[in-house]
Amino acid sequence: DTAVSQTPKYLVTQMGNDKSIKCEQNLGHDTMYWYKQDSKKFLKIMFSYNNKELIINETVPNRFSPKSPDKAHLNLHINSLELGDSAVYFCASSQAGGLRGYTFGSGTRLTVV
Amino acid sequence: GESVGLHLPTLSVQEGDNSIINCAYSNSASDYFIWYKQESGKGPQFIIDIRSNMDKRQGQRVTVLLNKTVKHLSLQIAATQPGDSAVYFCAENNGNYGQNFVFGPGTRLSVLP
Repeated sequence: DTAVSQTPKYLVTQMGNDKSIKCEQNLGHDTMYWYKQDSKKFLKIMFSYNNKELIINETVPNRFSPKSPDKAHLNLHINSLELGDSAVYFCASSQAGGLRGYTFGSGTRLTVV
Repeated sequence: GESVGLHLPTLSVQEGDNSIINCAYSNSASDYFIWYKQESGKGPQFIIDIRSNMDKRQGQRVTVLLNKTVKHLSLQIAATQPGDSAVYFCAENNGNYGQNFVFGPGTRLSVLP
């Protein structure tokens, strides 16, 4: 069983479109995250949710909107996609205290053309 | 956007040699550190962790050293194998966000036959 699963794995779309990436974790963790990884492999946090409540919202364009229907799911919706949004997006989860850190999904490679 | 000005350091080692990957962390208040390994096409995976009350911790073929005086962390891999080829990240828990970690820029390890 995949602990943190995100779909789709690859997403190619045109500028201006709206798209969503879904994430689900079956670990019973109470915190979920979205990270963006650029072409230089730099990992930057975007959002963090704890028990469905937003606790971190870094400097991210408001075209990006996370949605957490329950603590096992954290989806990412992106409006009006731009070329600069092309990156790999990782979902992750952790339990309170973060011991042993995060469990990451396998990533969604978003390409905006 | 992109991590402008940053580049991904690369370390090349011969198979069978020992590898040392270094990381400088930013926050003297950080009290918990993790090393992650990211293989191509996958999300980062936990390797080993260390708390700030320790200066060394050993795992299977890996050792993490922590020098709080100079805010430096290193990952030593003994008898490096081709399967160790990956990007390695250090992550610090800076205490401001609880379980939310700050990731370093990453180092690419290439193992030469």
